[in-house]
Amino acid sequence: DAGVTQSPTHLIKTRGQQVTLRCSPKSGHDTVSWYQQALGQGPQFIFQYYEEEERQRGNFPDRFSGHQFPNYSSELNVNALLLGDSALYLCASSLVGRSGRRTGELFFGEGSRLTVL
Amino acid sequence: QKEVEQNSGPLSVPEGAIASLNCTYSDRVSQSFFWYRQYSGKSPELIMSIYSNGDKEDGRFTAQLNKASQYVSLLIRDSQPSDSATYLCAVYTGGFKTIFGAGTRLFVKA
Repeated sequence: DAGVTQSPTHLIKTRGQQVTLRCSPKSGHDTVSWYQQALGQGPQFIFQYYEEEERQRGNFPDRFSGHQFPNYSSELNVNALLLGDSALYLCASSLVGRSGRRTGELFFGEGSRLTVL
Repeated sequence: QKEVEQNSGPLSVPEGAIASLNCTYSDRVSQSFFWYRQYSGKSPELIMSIYSNGDKEDGRFTAQLNKASQYVSLLIRDSQPSDSATYLCAVYTGGFKTIFGAGTRLFVKA
């Protein structure tokens, strides 16, 4: 059973550049959430995708955008990178249960560590 | 007021002792509560879920939930050095967002 996979695992960019991070959810999961985790902090919610639409967004600027594909995989794009965007970017997958309700339970990938110089 | 609050620690306990980790949350309509373990440089790993008031035990771990007090705790019995990690409390209030606390660092001394 394949877990959540993310790529790339590490990357270095310079200020002003753009980055795309990719995520494949756990087998059977239909929802992808993206989180940013700065050093020493808890994960901060960026947004969640379900049925190829952004369903909820955290307190992040429009420089952060995403997409979900028909196979449930997802991308996170960050434009005009700032030094403060350096962080671990976590993708988490989940699913709507048979009852049609969510539990909020998330399964994380190993993350993409972004360094902005 | 932060939505999910945890003592950042570090919490240091001797091997074999009970580690007690605490978390409070602000939204009374919160439905689901989770504890994640995160080793340094790694991603969070779900170790406990609790949905109703009371205690839930799984091996050496016990989660406790008190919705009236808006309080969640995690007890780790017979703590081992391999339990040394950051423990994240997470709360789901419905919709599409699970909110995390900043985490408590735990050190178990051999």
